[in-house]
Amino acid sequence: EPEVTQTPSHQVTQMGQEVILRCVPISNHLYFYWYRQILGQKVEFLVSFYNNEISEKSEIFDDQFSVERPDGSNFTLKIRSTKLEDSAMYFCASNQDGFNEQFFGPGTRLTVL
Amino acid sequence: SQQGEEDPQALSIQEGENATMNCSYKTSINNLQWYRQNSGRGLVHLILIRSNEREKHSGRLRVTLDTSKKSSSLLITASRAADTASYFCATVRYGNNRLAFGKGNQVVVIP
Repeated sequence: EPEVTQTPSHQVTQMGQEVILRCVPISNHLYFYWYRQILGQKVEFLVSFYNNEISEKSEIFDDQFSVERPDGSNFTLKIRSTKLEDSAMYFCASNQDGFNEQFFGPGTRLTVL
Repeated sequence: SQQGEEDPQALSIQEGENATMNCSYKTSINNLQWYRQNSGRGLVHLILIRSNEREKHSGRLRVTLDTSKKSSSLLITASRAADTASYFCATVRYGNNRLAFGKGNQVVVIP
């Protein structure tokens, strides 16, 4: 069964460093998403991406964040200069039609020291 | 505004019992979805109910939706130890495709 994959599973970085989180969505899906979950809190939407551009972003998704689909399979989230409060689990998701069920990856745990 | 806000419950039940959890939201929705998250893992979609539906079943899951009260419930019948997880409701509004999650209900099923 096709699934969303994410790498790395755990990333540790120093404050101020850039990180890139990678995702491979399900191959015939057209909509891609990033969410984050700070430990003990609810899952928060960051950004959605369709047709090679951002279709929606939340107030969390400021200028420090960017997304890219560099080729036909990968979908990346870049944080330019990490802050302590960026420590969270980051989930990638995808779906075919934009409003039905989303398929989530296993997440990348980002720890900023 | 916050969407998909569950009653902040932590349920602890015996295997075989039913588990019910509730969710309320504040604005008009296209659909409401329930997801399960095992500890430290990704989210797994369980069931989706559209705004024009009132009840839906999938295996041991039963979801209801009351759009007049802006609330939903998830019932898991004949619970198993493997049902131990956190359960989140999430709403999708018309015109966008983001999932707005609630805080989640932790369910522990004791064998």
